[in-house]
Amino acid sequence: QKEVEQDPGPLSVPEGAIVSLNCTYSNSAFQYFMWYRQYSRKGPELLMYTYSSGNKEDGRFTAQVDKSSKYISLFIRDSQPSDSATYLCAMSDGAGTALIFGKGTTLSVSS
Amino acid sequence: DTEVTQTPKHLVMGMTNKKSLKCEQHMGHRAMYWYKQKAKKPPELMFVYSYEKLSINESVPSRFSPECPNSSLLNLHLHALQPEDSALYLCASSQDSFSSYNSPLHFGNGTRLTVT
Repeated sequence: QKEVEQDPGPLSVPEGAIVSLNCTYSNSAFQYFMWYRQYSRKGPELLMYTYSSGNKEDGRFTAQVDKSSKYISLFIRDSQPSDSATYLCAMSDGAGTALIFGKGTTLSVSS
Repeated sequence: DTEVTQTPKHLVMGMTNKKSLKCEQHMGHRAMYWYKQKAKKPPELMFVYSYEKLSINESVPSRFSPECPNSSLLNLHLHALQPEDSALYLCASSQDSFSSYNSPLHFGNGTRLTVT
């Protein structure tokens, strides 16, 4: 089992839909969780950063961490065509080991 | 625009060439990173500098040589590369030192490298 599992998609939704992106992980030591958005031919852009369990909201984006289930989610409300990108989850144990990335989910929002 | 600036944006080089990639950040971050990203894959860590000292080398071939002249600059020197080294090379920085992953990575937009 890989340390971080993320469905690569592609995921296609109509404009205005609620999008749910997910990652599961196996290492219970992970406590820092990030979501990055990467447009084609650009670098990853940090969207959300959370520590331990709980929810964090920023505009149309909500990040959720369930450490008991080893499951993290990113929700996008009122999705827009500009949200079309690859979304990468990433996590670390904060103890000096490298950041572990999921494979990324490609999202396409059609107008 | 990102706060991590990488130059050049594109680079084509032959297998016998020597070239350098450059990265600059002015956020006062103490750790800087080089990642390699192939198409439809996540970034792979190559090197980490923490307080201008090389902290991690992820068994990268010696044809890639990193350099950190000061806390704001990071270079990657390239020599005798192979076609399979063609990829997007990403620089990143983080506020804290690498040993405490309390701050997330901020990436540049990368240099798209093609080795012919």
